[in-house]
This record gives sequence, C-alpha cells and structure tokens, in this order.
Amino acid sequence: KAGVTQTPRYLIKTRGQQVTLSCSPISGHRSVSWYQQTPGQGLQFLFEYFSETQRNKGNFPGRFSGRQFSNSRSEMNVSTLELGDSALYLCASSLESGGGYGYTFGSGTRLTVV
Amino acid sequence: GESVGLHLPTLSVQEGDNSIINCAYSNSASDYFIWYKQESGKGPQFIIDIRSNMDKRQGQRVTVLLNKTVKHLSLQIAATQPGDSAVYFCAEKNAGGGNKLTFGTGTQLKVEL
Repeated sequence: KAGVTQTPRYLIKTRGQQVTLSCSPISGHRSVSWYQQTPGQGLQFLFEYFSETQRNKGNFPGRFSGRQFSNSRSEMNVSTLELGDSALYLCASSLESGGGYGYTFGSGTRLTVV
Repeated sequence: GESVGLHLPTLSVQEGDNSIINCAYSNSASDYFIWYKQESGKGPQFIIDIRSNMDKRQGQRVTVLLNKTVKHLSLQIAATQPGDSAVYFCAEKNAGGGNKLTFGTGTQLKVEL
C-alpha cells in the first residue's frame, strides 16, 4: 500500500512569505501529526490532527497552523516566514489517536527560507 | 519537563559486530517507546517499539530493552551491516498525550568495513 506522501519535497521561500505543505496519510489512517526537524533542535512536535480536529499542539508560535480534511489529508501553513523556519517538515500518520502505534513518517518537505 | 536524550552522538562499529544505542528518558508517565532509523534525505523509519509493561522485545536482528527503574532504553543491533549506517532516534509517547512523540537527539551509527 502507498506510504505517507508529502508535497512538495523541496521549497525555497523568502522571509516574510507564507507557505503551505501537504501530507496524504496512509489509506485508512485518520491521525496526522507534523514535526519540524532541524540540526539544532532535532525533531519537535508541531501538532496532531484526528478526524479534522486538532488534538495536540506543540510549543510553536501561532504562525504555524494546520488543518485536516475529511479524507484525512492534512496541510500545514507557516505565515510570515523567518530564517529560523528553515527545516525538514515531516508528517506521520497513524490509524488512531492516542495509541501511537503504526506511526509512519513521510519523507518530508525541505523548506529553505532566504 | 519532558526530555529524551541520547548518551552518544556517534557510534562506530565494525561490520559484523553488535551495536548498542542508548537512550535516557525523563518522563515516567511515558507508556510507549519507539526506535526509528533515519537515512539521509528520508523520513524516520520504524524499527521496533515497546510498551511500558514490557522490558524486552525482539525483532529481526534488533532488540529493545526498557529499564523503567532508571528510565533507560536501548537498541541492540546484531551483526551490524553497512546498510545499518544511519541516525537512530528513540521516541517516547506519554499516556494520554494523543500521538505526540518526544524524540531524542539521535545517534549516528557508522559501520566500518
């Protein structure tokens, strides 16, 4: 079966712009979580969506937001980009929320802010 | 606060040897732990998991040990192969915390021929 698909793979944006990243979970998975990965901070949890509702949120500013659609696909948006937002953004899908089992990651979107 | 840390940032082993990667966690409320492998340009790949009611779990060439007394997790890789070269992360999930995972800083495993 198809894995977790993230688009685009690479993005270059200018400081101050906004960006939208997309994640299509494994078929049947209803939970989608987003993570930011940087060399300095490692992997940090952004938020989780389950059945179109945000279930958990990490310690990121309000410039980071997300949503989930009825088909479980999810998008995350970063507004007013800063240089420090340059990172690999990963999404992970899971069948349910709370179990954490069967957690599968996509290959990520590499965002570079210049 | 929550933190998951790794003792060694880089581990070099000879091909065929066994590798042991360690991880310390601080949240006693964590009920589920996962080891991931990440290769360059790819997302984390699930290796093995363990629930807090277990102290050992074995997979193919891999074993995870959990010591809740000292909040320590380890990943053992038997007969390490060049394809095992990657960064390894431990992650913990808190009971009642949805699907939020807290990741360790990662260990770079280098397999020397």
